[in-house]
Amino acid sequence: QVHLVQSGAEVKKPGASVKVSCKASGYSFTSYYVHWVRQAHGQGLEWMGIINPSGGRTSYAQKFQGRVTMTRDTSTSTVYMELSGLMSEDTAVYYCARAGWQLLSFFHYWGQGTLVTVSS
Amino acid sequence: DIQMTQSPSSLSASVGDRVTITCQASQDISNSLSWFQQKPGRAPDLLIYDTSNLETGVPSRFSGSGSGTDFTLTISSLQPEDIATYYCQQHEELPLSFGGGTKVEIK
Repeated sequence: QVHLVQSGAEVKKPGASVKVSCKASGYSFTSYYVHWVRQAHGQGLEWMGIINPSGGRTSYAQKFQGRVTMTRDTSTSTVYMELSGLMSEDTAVYYCARAGWQLLSFFHYWGQGTLVTVSS
Repeated sequence: DIQMTQSPSSLSASVGDRVTITCQASQDISNSLSWFQQKPGRAPDLLIYDTSNLETGVPSRFSGSGSGTDFTLTISSLQPEDIATYYCQQHEELPLSFGGGTKVEIK
C-alpha cells in the first residue's frame, strides 16, 4: 500500500533554513505529483506548492516564492521541501501529499506531518 | 486565485442528526472539489473527491454534492467518531486552495 513517511520534528532559529523529507513507497514514484501543505497550530491548511517527481518541475504558491525549494531524488523515492529565511510565523506542521498522475487532481494520500518550530 | 469559503466555521449537533457543511468557490471549479476530515494531531483524510465520489472505506453516511461554485458535504446521521474538522479543497487550478474548515462537535 501507499506510504509517505516524513522526517522528524525540527527546531530552528529565525533566519535559518529547514529541509523536510517525504519518502514514498508502494507505488511508482515518478508517476504521481506530490504537494506540500502546512498548518499552523489551531489554523487551517495552506497549500505551498507542487513537484512533478518525474522531471522535477515545480510550481510554488506566490507567498513562498523565493523562499521555498522542492526537489526530489528518484533513486530513493524521496521528495524534499526546503524553506529558508524562517520566521516565527513559519512554525507549523508541514505535510506532503500525493495527488494523481495529472497536474490537477485530488490528494489521495498524506504523510504523517513534520512539526517545524522556529524559535530564538 | 480561487477563494474557498466554508460555512459554518463550527457546529454542534446531536448523535443521529443530519449535518450539512457548505463550501463556496469564488469562481467556477466544475466538480474539482474534495472534502477532508482531520482529527486532532493527525493528517487529513480524504473523504470525498470530485465533488461526490466516496473514498474507499469511508462510511456511506458521508455524501457530497454540488457543481460550479456551490458544494455541500452531508453527514446523514452524526456519529461520535465523526468529531473532527472538515475542509474542502479545490483542484481546478493552481494555486490550490482550502476552505477555512468546519469544526464539528457533539451537543
